[in-house]
Amino acid sequence: KAGVTQTPRYLIKTRGQQVTLSCSPISGHRSVSWYQQTPGQGLQFLFEYFSETQRNKGNFPGRFSGRQFSNSRSEMNVSTLELGDSALYLCASSLVGQGHYEQYFGPGTRLTVT
Amino acid sequence: GEDVEQSLFLSVREGDSSVINCTYTDSSSTYLYWYKQEPGAGLQLLTYIFSNMDMKQDQRLTVLLNKKDKHLSLRIADTQTGDSAIYFCAESIYNQGGKLIFGQGTELSVKP
Repeated sequence: KAGVTQTPRYLIKTRGQQVTLSCSPISGHRSVSWYQQTPGQGLQFLFEYFSETQRNKGNFPGRFSGRQFSNSRSEMNVSTLELGDSALYLCASSLVGQGHYEQYFGPGTRLTVT
Repeated sequence: GEDVEQSLFLSVREGDSSVINCTYTDSSSTYLYWYKQEPGAGLQLLTYIFSNMDMKQDQRLTVLLNKKDKHLSLRIADTQTGDSAIYFCAESIYNQGGKLIFGQGTELSVKP
C-alpha cells in the first residue's frame, strides 16, 4: 500500500502571501490530521478532518484553515503568511478505531517564509 | 492540562540497551505512542500501548506504562547506529479523536 504523500515537499513564500499544502492519505484511511513542527514549539496539532468535516482544532489563528474532499485527500491553507509560519508541516492519516488512531505520517512540506 | 515531557538527549554505545522516558499529565489518555524521526523525514510509528496495559513487547522494543505515575518508557534492546534518531512519545485523549499531543522529542545518539 502506498504511504501518505504530501505535496509540495518544499516551498518558499514571501510574507503576506498565502499557501496551500496537499495531503493524500493511505487508501482506506478517512481521518487526516495536520501538525506543525518547529524547533521552538515542537510538534503542534493544527486540525483533524474526518468525512469532510473538521472534527478537532488546535490553538492556531484563523489564518490556518483546511478542508477534506470526498476521496479523503486534504488540503491546508495558510493566508497572510508570517515569518513565524516557517515550519515543517506534517499530515497523518489513520483508520478510525475504538478511540485508537494509529497515525501514519507523510514526509512533510518544508515551508520557508522570507 | 495536556502536557508531555521527555528528556532531550540520550547517548549510548552500540549493543547497549536504550531507555527513553516520557511523562504525561492528562488522566484521560487512551493510547500512548512512540514515533521515530530521522533527519529530513516524517514520523515513523514504532509502537503504541493502550492506557490500561502495563507492558508491551515488540521485537527489540519494550514499552512500559505506569499509569499511576503517568510515566511511559521505551526500551530498545541491542541498540544499533541505525537507531540514532529523535524519538517522540505522544498521547491521545479520550474524545479528542485524531489529535495527538507530542513530547519535545529525545535525540538518541548511538556511538560505535
